[in-house]
Amino acid sequence: GENVEQHPSTLSVQEGDSAVIKCTYSDSASNYFPWYKQELGKRPQLIIDIRSNVGEKKDQRIAVTLNKTAKHFSLHITETQPEDSAVYFCAASMAAGNKLTFGGGTRVLVKP
Amino acid sequence: DADVTQTPRNRITKTGKRIMLECSQTKGHDRMYWYRQDPGLGLRLIYYSFDVKDINKGEISDGYSVSRQAQAKFSLSLESAIPNQTALYFCATMGQTNTEAFFGQGTRLTVV
Repeated sequence: GENVEQHPSTLSVQEGDSAVIKCTYSDSASNYFPWYKQELGKRPQLIIDIRSNVGEKKDQRIAVTLNKTAKHFSLHITETQPEDSAVYFCAASMAAGNKLTFGGGTRVLVKP
Repeated sequence: DADVTQTPRNRITKTGKRIMLECSQTKGHDRMYWYRQDPGLGLRLIYYSFDVKDINKGEISDGYSVSRQAQAKFSLSLESAIPNQTALYFCATMGQTNTEAFFGQGTRLTVV
């Protein structure tokens, strides 16, 4: 089955700096890669996703990149703010509506 | 608002007891999932169901069972709870063509 590895497990950044989280996946058949944000005590919520036919996608201060050849994808958060402090999960799936395999999560702390 | 609801939100139970976690959704989605969250291990899939007559094991199904009572209801049972099943449990739903997974609020289970 699919295996998703996520690094780093914790990330501390100064407010205004950028944060980068990296994930690798094992199954070359995976073609859908979402990112979820989980605030303290809350449920995970989708923040951005990317499909295998696209190399990069942006939404305001967040962006995702995908390298299918190397089987890795990354989340970039620019101009970090205290409300970006949360746990972020990457995931991989072979199709829309299919089961998601998650990475181990990255706890991001943005220091004011 | 259409939502995913889990009951109970918190539960403490003793080793060897049977316990059921319930999930109901008003999103009209066919696909339902049970995940377990442990620190550093991300969200791991326990069971999933693509419709009422379809039940599939995930990566960590041992010690768990499920029941899909209706399109809107998906229950997770621990037949004989053990301490290493102490975790945060999430139910999630997804549509057939919708790519976003919607999570319940989570059930924090402690087995003593």
